[in-house]
Amino acid sequence: GNSVTQMEGPVTLSEEAFLTINCTYTATGYPSLFWYVQYPGEGLQLLLKATKADDKGSNKGFEATYRKETTSFHLEKGSVQVSDSAVYFCALSDPSEDSSYKLIFGSGTRLLVRP
Amino acid sequence: GAGVSQSPSNKVTEKGKDVELRCDPISGHTALYWYRQSLGQGLEFLIYFQGNSAPDKSGLPSDRFSAERTGGSVSTLTIQRTQQEDSAVYLCASSFTYNSPLHFGNGTRLTVT
Repeated sequence: GNSVTQMEGPVTLSEEAFLTINCTYTATGYPSLFWYVQYPGEGLQLLLKATKADDKGSNKGFEATYRKETTSFHLEKGSVQVSDSAVYFCALSDPSEDSSYKLIFGSGTRLLVRP
Repeated sequence: GAGVSQSPSNKVTEKGKDVELRCDPISGHTALYWYRQSLGQGLEFLIYFQGNSAPDKSGLPSDRFSAERTGGSVSTLTIQRTQQEDSAVYLCASSFTYNSPLHFGNGTRLTVT
C-alpha cells in the first residue's frame, strides 16, 4: 500500500540556516506529492506540490524535487526565518487509484527556528 | 465564508458520552473530508463526501463513528460512547472538486477523560 515516511523532529535551527526535511514514499502507482505546513493555531495549508518525476515544487523560498529513483520528496530552504517555525507534513495521492482524492500523510516534522 | 470553519475548537467529554463535531466548508466546495490527527501520528483519513453522499467511509475506526452532510454543505461527525483512544484533533477539509487542492479547518481538539 501507499505510505509516507518523514524524518522525526523537532528540528531546531538558527535563523538563516539551511533546512532539509527528508520525506520518502512508497506507492504502487505514480503519485502526486505534496508538502503541507501547519503554523501554530492554524489549519494545514498547501505549501507546494509536484505531480510527476523530476518536477520541482516551490513556494515562499521552499523547494522540493520529485525523485522517482530514490522515491523521495525532500523539503529544502536556503535560509530559514523565525516565521517558518511550524509543523511540516509530507503527503501523497495516487491518481491511478479509485481513491485518488485520499491524501496519505507522514507523521509531520516540527521546525523551530531561533533568532 | 472565507475558509473552512470547525466547531467547537475544543471539546472535553467523559468516557461513554456522545459528541458531535461540526464542519462548515468553503461555499461551493463539493468535496469534504474528515481526518484525525492523534498525538505523534500523521493525519489519518476518516471519510470523504462528494455532495451529500459518502463514497468512501473506509477510514472510520469503528461503528461508533458516523458522519453526515446536508445540503451539500455542513457536515457533522458523531462519535458515540466515546473512549479515551478517541482523543485527537479532528480536521475537516474541503475542495472544489475531488482532485482540487484541499483547504483545512483549524480542527476540533477532542479530549475524552
